[in-house]
Amino acid sequence: AQKITQTQPGMFVQEKEAVTLDCTYDTSDQSYGLFWYKQPSSGEMIFLIYQGSYDEQNATEGRYSLNFQKARKSANLVISASQLGDSAMYFCAMRGTDSNYQLIWGAGTKLIIKP
Amino acid sequence: GEEVAQTPKHLVRGEGQKAKLYCAPIKGHSYVFWYQQVLKNEFKFLISFQNENVFDETGMPKERFSAKCLPNSPCSLEIQATKLEDSAVYFCASTKGDSNQPQHFGDGTRLSIL
Repeated sequence: AQKITQTQPGMFVQEKEAVTLDCTYDTSDQSYGLFWYKQPSSGEMIFLIYQGSYDEQNATEGRYSLNFQKARKSANLVISASQLGDSAMYFCAMRGTDSNYQLIWGAGTKLIIKP
Repeated sequence: GEEVAQTPKHLVRGEGQKAKLYCAPIKGHSYVFWYQQVLKNEFKFLISFQNENVFDETGMPKERFSAKCLPNSPCSLEIQATKLEDSAVYFCASTKGDSNQPQHFGDGTRLSIL
């Protein structure tokens, strides 16, 4: 069975610091994708970044990067130079052929950026 | 359209009433997914469609929940005889179907059962 684990229920980070949000996964699929989404207090789901299991390079999108360690089955999100607007829930999700393409979700991490 | 459009934004029903939620996927996206999020916690997968065909319905409570995606119409999720525990935000997402493509989410429908 596939599973996503986010071990940090909440984090406080000082503005302008970098922050790492942890995500580990479990799957027997050889081909899978890992996604990070942001959910602000307003409730919408914002796609941030994607990493494919066969991608050799770590994905980057602006201030977001994904620290993908395949052997450790981890896909941590790194946000550089955090901003107040980064305060939100962050969800890690996995999509694999075993799951019929539905996303398997972690429990989320609530990130609060302190001024 | 360029966004997943969900209607209504909020829906209030008395316990036992019917609730119907709608989702228009992004044009050109052949897969539609419905998720339930209770209290901003984990997402529970309900059902997915490939075009108008059910692709995966393993998450659907069979007794009261049903869903459709008909050609040239928004997809719909219907809950019969609602219960208090159905109170949640229901998200619809669509994707082209390539495994490396993200699912694009609508803004959700907040369903409140009184």
